[in-house]
Amino acid sequence: NAGVTQTPKFRVLKTGQSMTLLCAQDMNHEYMYWYRQDPGMGLRLIHYSVGEGTTAKGEVPDGYNVSRLKKQNFLLGLESAAPSQTSVYFCASSLGLAGGNEQFFGPGTRLTVL
Amino acid sequence: DQQVKQNSPSLSVQEGRISILNCDYTNSMFDYFLWYKKYPAEGPTFLISISSIKDKNEDGRFTVFLNKSAKHLSLHIVPSQPGDSAVYFCAPYTSGTYKYIFGTGTRLKVLA
Repeated sequence: NAGVTQTPKFRVLKTGQSMTLLCAQDMNHEYMYWYRQDPGMGLRLIHYSVGEGTTAKGEVPDGYNVSRLKKQNFLLGLESAAPSQTSVYFCASSLGLAGGNEQFFGPGTRLTVL
Repeated sequence: DQQVKQNSPSLSVQEGRISILNCDYTNSMFDYFLWYKKYPAEGPTFLISISSIKDKNEDGRFTVFLNKSAKHLSLHIVPSQPGDSAVYFCAPYTSGTYKYIFGTGTRLKVLA
């Protein structure tokens, strides 16, 4: 049981380049999330998904796109990377929206945009 | 609009003593409050939670207290151990929504 995995662990991009971050979970969770964490700030929600084929915007969605073609995978895309997107990105999943349902997090992807 | 505040960015405690981490919130719609622990280069992991209908929840060395009238919760760790050194986030939540709101975190250092 791997839990939540993220690929890649590290990446350096130049401004304007594109990339996709992959998140996979093997817990059969319906809900998946992408967060970013910046120094001195808590985790901020970028996009989330409440099931296969569905996605929705979170708190800071600009500059990102997502897809959930399979229940176990949630992809985060940066179409044209900007230095402001330098951050640590965390994927998470949860069983549902009932109270107390904790989120399970991946190990994170550290992205630097030059 | 900071709905969740952890006003102490860092805290140092001697091994064996009590660690108290605080969290203040403004949104009265929150009905569950979770604490996560994060080690460097790892994702956050769930630690303990409390429902708004309770004022205390205990799990081993960890106890969370909730004061709804003050919109304040605290995490107590007794006794503190060096392995508890990590960043702790409070994350209030409203049932039925997708949204956990994470605080900025408190870095706890337990000194041996």
